Amino acid sequence: KAGVTQTPRYLIKTRGQQVTLSCSPISGHRSVSWYQQTPGQGLQFLFEYFSETQRNKGNFPGRFSGRQFSNSRSEMNVSTLELGDSALYLCASSPGQGVAFRETQYFGPGTRLLVL
Amino acid sequence: AQSVSQHNHHVILSEAASLELGCNYSYGGTVNLFWYVQYPGQHLQLLLKYFSGDPLVKGIKGFEAEFIKSKFSFNLRKPSVQWSDTAEYFCAVNRMNSGYSTLTFGKGTMLLVSP
Repeated sequence: KAGVTQTPRYLIKTRGQQVTLSCSPISGHRSVSWYQQTPGQGLQFLFEYFSETQRNKGNFPGRFSGRQFSNSRSEMNVSTLELGDSALYLCASSPGQGVAFRETQYFGPGTRLLVL
Repeated sequence: AQSVSQHNHHVILSEAASLELGCNYSYGGTVNLFWYVQYPGQHLQLLLKYFSGDPLVKGIKGFEAEFIKSKFSFNLRKPSVQWSDTAEYFCAVNRMNSGYSTLTFGKGTMLLVSP
């Protein structure tokens, strides 16, 4: 099976702009999670989607949002970008077939966002 | 606050040395535990995981980890490291009462293996 894919891989934006990142999960996977990775804070959970519904959300401001489509593909959006939003944004998928906390998440390569 | 702690931010070893990376978590109750690795320029990959049963789990590339419930620990080990093990290693925990597929990660340990 193909792995998790994310587009674009690299992105440069300026403060105040907005950005949309895309994630395609492993075929058959229904749960998609998003994480932000920075050198200072490490990997932090943003949100999780399952069956087009946000099932859980991390401690990030409302500028960070996401959605999931019927084919399980997911997008995340960051509005009014700030310099501190510069990070690697990782998407992970899991089967969503059984008990959620017992499932393994498989990660994509990430989208590296630089905010100038 | 509930968290996952990795004791060493940076570890430098020579090839053939033994490796042990510490990981402690502060959650009570049932947890699932993972070690992920991020090689330079590559995406996060699963090394091994513990769900239940034998607390000593074996993963890919000769890595193993031991779950010690009484110590809330899940340390990663490898008897003899190779230069190709140079990478960043992340411990992660998923809690039963979260009900969701949410991982809490440690800050990571950067391992540099010198040839």
